[in-house]
Amino acid sequence: DGGITQSPKYLFRKEGQNVTLSCEQNLNHDAMYWYRQDPGQGLRLIYYSQIVNDFQKGDIAEGYSVSREKKESFPLTVTSAQKNPTAFYLCASSFPVGDGVETQYFGPGTRLLVL
Amino acid sequence: AQTVTQSQPEMSVQEAETVTLSCTYDTSESDYYLFWYKQPPSRQMILVIRQEAYKQQNATENRFSVNFQKAAKSFSLKISDSQLGDAAMYFCAYREYYGGATNKLIFGTGTLLAVQP
Repeated sequence: DGGITQSPKYLFRKEGQNVTLSCEQNLNHDAMYWYRQDPGQGLRLIYYSQIVNDFQKGDIAEGYSVSREKKESFPLTVTSAQKNPTAFYLCASSFPVGDGVETQYFGPGTRLLVL
Repeated sequence: AQTVTQSQPEMSVQEAETVTLSCTYDTSESDYYLFWYKQPPSRQMILVIRQEAYKQQNATENRFSVNFQKAAKSFSLKISDSQLGDAAMYFCAYREYYGGATNKLIFGTGTLLAVQP
């Protein structure tokens, strides 16, 4: 089955700790994205990557880092610099810009909580 | 900057009836895409329907249809014959036609739809 997987489903972070959220897709999509969802707000873009070994900051990149070493994988690290990390994190992927509508498809999400 | 507004935080509908969710947006672009996503209690975001602004015909997907009013910058979602499984948070989203290098989606704040049996 083609799709996007995110792990873990729930993640707990201690003060001063970096944590990494996993996102994997087997849809052969070149582009991948990370969004953050807070209660009462829509999704906001953290980082995006159009091709392997390249990524760009979104609207709320401070306190986050990413890597894109493989087409299938786009992990997100929430660093200790992110002072309010409690949120629901969604990964998405799409075909790259220029291939049409480039509809984004989403993974099931990771809920991050601070202890 | 483009913005998306969903003015109905919550809506309720009786099973088998029809409900319309509202969405307005602000843009100076003439070509763009609009989407409705559904987020059920599982929190998985599911694409419901999409509309290309250059197409005058309203998009439909089975029981879901849109009323796209380009001049008014309005993009409402109509759900016909509502089912219990339609209960979810619904998000309206906007994307520029060319997307730049971002392909960024701009989301509204969502409308929580309850379906009453």
